[in-house]
Amino acid sequence: GNSVTQMEGPVTLSEEAFLTINCTYTATGYPSLFWYVQYPGEGLQLLLKATKADDKGSNKGFEATYRKETTSFHLEKGSVQVSDSAVYFCALSGRTNAGKSTFGDGTTLTVKP
Amino acid sequence: EAGVTQSPTHLIKTRGQQATLRCSPISGHTSVYWYQQALGLGLQFLLWYDEGEERNRGNFPPRFSGRQFPNYSSELNVNALELEDSALYLCASSAPGQGGGNEQFFGPGTRLTVL
Repeated sequence: GNSVTQMEGPVTLSEEAFLTINCTYTATGYPSLFWYVQYPGEGLQLLLKATKADDKGSNKGFEATYRKETTSFHLEKGSVQVSDSAVYFCALSGRTNAGKSTFGDGTTLTVKP
Repeated sequence: EAGVTQSPTHLIKTRGQQATLRCSPISGHTSVYWYQQALGLGLQFLLWYDEGEERNRGNFPPRFSGRQFPNYSSELNVNALELEDSALYLCASSAPGQGGGNEQFFGPGTRLTVL
C-alpha cells in the first residue's frame, strides 16, 4: 500500500535559517504529492502540490520538487520566519484507492527570533 | 467562498456515550473525508463519502460510522465512546471528478474529549 515517511521532528531553527524537511513515499503508479501546514489550534491548509514527476510546487517562499527517481518530495525554504512555526505534513493521493490520501506523521517546526 | 465548516468546535462526552460531529463541504464539492488526529499522532483516515455513498473506510471499528446527505454535508457518529477516542476530528472536501490526485480542503476540526 501507499506510505509516506517524513523527517522526524521537532525541528528548531533561528529566524532566516534554511529549512529542509525530508519526505519520501511509496506508491503504485503516479501519485500526486502535497505539503500541508497546520498552525496551532487550526486545521490543515494546503501549502503546495505537484501532480507529476519533475513538477515544482511553490507557495509563500516554500518549494518542493516531485522526484520520481528518488521517490521524494522534500520541502525547502531559504529563510524561515517566526510565523512559519507550525506542523508540516507531507501527503500523497494515488490514482488507485482514490479518495484516501496518505499522510506522513508531521514535522513540528519552531522558529526562534 | 466559504470554506469547510465543522460543528461543534469542542465536544465533551463521557465513556459509553455517543458523539455526533458535523461537516459542511465547500460549495460544489461532492466528496467529504473524515480523519482522526490524536494527540502526538498523525492523521488517520477514517471515512470517505462521495455522492452520498461510503467509498472507502480506514482501519477503525464499526462504532465509527457516518453518512452524507443530499446536500453533501456529512455526519460522523462515534458510538460507545472510549477514552482513546479523544482527538481532533478533521473533515475535508474535494471537488467532483478529481478521483486520484485530489486536493483536499480541510475544516478547522472538532475537538472531542472523552472523560
